[in-house]
Amino acid sequence: DGGITQSPKYLFRKEGQNVTLSCEQNLNHDAMYWYRQDPGQGLRLIYYSQIVNDFQKGDIAEGYSVSREKKESFPLTVTSAQKNPTAFYLCASSILSGGYGYTFGSGTRLTVV
Amino acid sequence: DAKTTQPTSMDCAEGRAANLPCNHSTISGNEYVYWYRQIHSQGPQYIIHGLKNNETNEMASLIITEDRKSSTLILPHATLRDTAVYYCIVRVATQGGKLIFGQGTELSVKP
Repeated sequence: DGGITQSPKYLFRKEGQNVTLSCEQNLNHDAMYWYRQDPGQGLRLIYYSQIVNDFQKGDIAEGYSVSREKKESFPLTVTSAQKNPTAFYLCASSILSGGYGYTFGSGTRLTVV
Repeated sequence: DAKTTQPTSMDCAEGRAANLPCNHSTISGNEYVYWYRQIHSQGPQYIIHGLKNNETNEMASLIITEDRKSSTLILPHATLRDTAVYYCIVRVATQGGKLIFGQGTELSVKP
């Protein structure tokens, strides 16, 4: 079955450490996105990529980095520069054109300890 | 900034229709309205989307006003499993077609 897979489901990080969240899709979608969700709030865009080897900052990119070396993969690194990294992180993919919606992964909950 | 406003919460009796309203008065002509729902600690699930015309699928119906400034999601026969946060979202043409999420409506379906 086609879909989008995020791992791990739960992640704990010590302050000052970088961590990388995995996102893989086999839907042949061109575009991939990372969103952050804080308790009781909607999702906010961190980074997005419309094509391999290209990505753009979203609304809250500070303290995060991404890469897009393969169409299927879009990992997110939460760096030590991110002041408040504890959140629920969601990866999504989409066809670029028209009215197609997103397919979301099941999310990674990151906690700083 | 969210381009949509929704009631914070709603209740619905099991088996009845759930009508979830959404205002999107600043929507542009080429921007779609999407509805997703999210159960706690899971990824959002796509429900339906539309541009101008009313839409229906196996999950729900979407009614968009003629001026496109508001819409209503209709779950025809709500079940307990429909209890979730429902997001009315505008997909913009910029930033790779990002989705602008508001706070959503927490729908509680009660027996």
